[in-house]
Amino acid sequence: DTAVSQTPKYLVTQMGNDKSIKCEQNLGHDTMYWYKQDSKKFLKIMFSYNNKELIINETVPNRFSPKSPDKAHLNLHINSLELGDSAVYFCASSHLRLKTQYFGPGTRLLVL
Amino acid sequence: AQTVTQSQPEMSVQEAETVTLSCTYDTSESDYYLFWYKQPPSRQMILVIRQEAYKQQNATENRFSVNFQKAAKSFSLKISDSQLGDAAMYFCAYRSSGGGADGLTFGKGTHLIIQP
Repeated sequence: DTAVSQTPKYLVTQMGNDKSIKCEQNLGHDTMYWYKQDSKKFLKIMFSYNNKELIINETVPNRFSPKSPDKAHLNLHINSLELGDSAVYFCASSHLRLKTQYFGPGTRLLVL
Repeated sequence: AQTVTQSQPEMSVQEAETVTLSCTYDTSESDYYLFWYKQPPSRQMILVIRQEAYKQQNATENRFSVNFQKAAKSFSLKISDSQLGDAAMYFCAYRSSGGGADGLTFGKGTHLIIQP
């Protein structure tokens, strides 16, 4: 009965590769998010998305793109991976109106 | 833009004692939401407690309570009867009450150590 799930949990890849991280929520929420947690544990919003709008943090490189096939899924696609992309990526979801966000288990990405 | 500051990078407390984690924030909005999340070594982000700014009453969840001082823009977390399982990183977070799909703004976190 996992609420917010992410796959894979660990991802090791070479610089220059393209990779995707999948996120699914079964909470019936209408809004989903991607966060990046850096090596110092700092969490920063990357994207917020519901069926009406996509909000992109202006600091996110355009190599990162969210893709939502339906309301329960928000995948993160990353092109041309760089060393600095190594981090933990969290997916989260909420009701747009209720505001409380629930997080997935995180995906640790290591770019070599 | 809103900012959230957690001035204590690390705190240590004896098991069964009480500890308070500090959080201050800066915003020009009058209505918003504040949260405390816990991140144990498993790295899962777990919601601890939530406070709506329009509510004067401080939120409580079992051994966890907050001291919300709106005028001072302060939102501290008190953990009573600390347990070994409380050891984790604790993050304070802010969220606008606006109708958009805004994300959370996080502080840098406080690493809580529980001494047995």
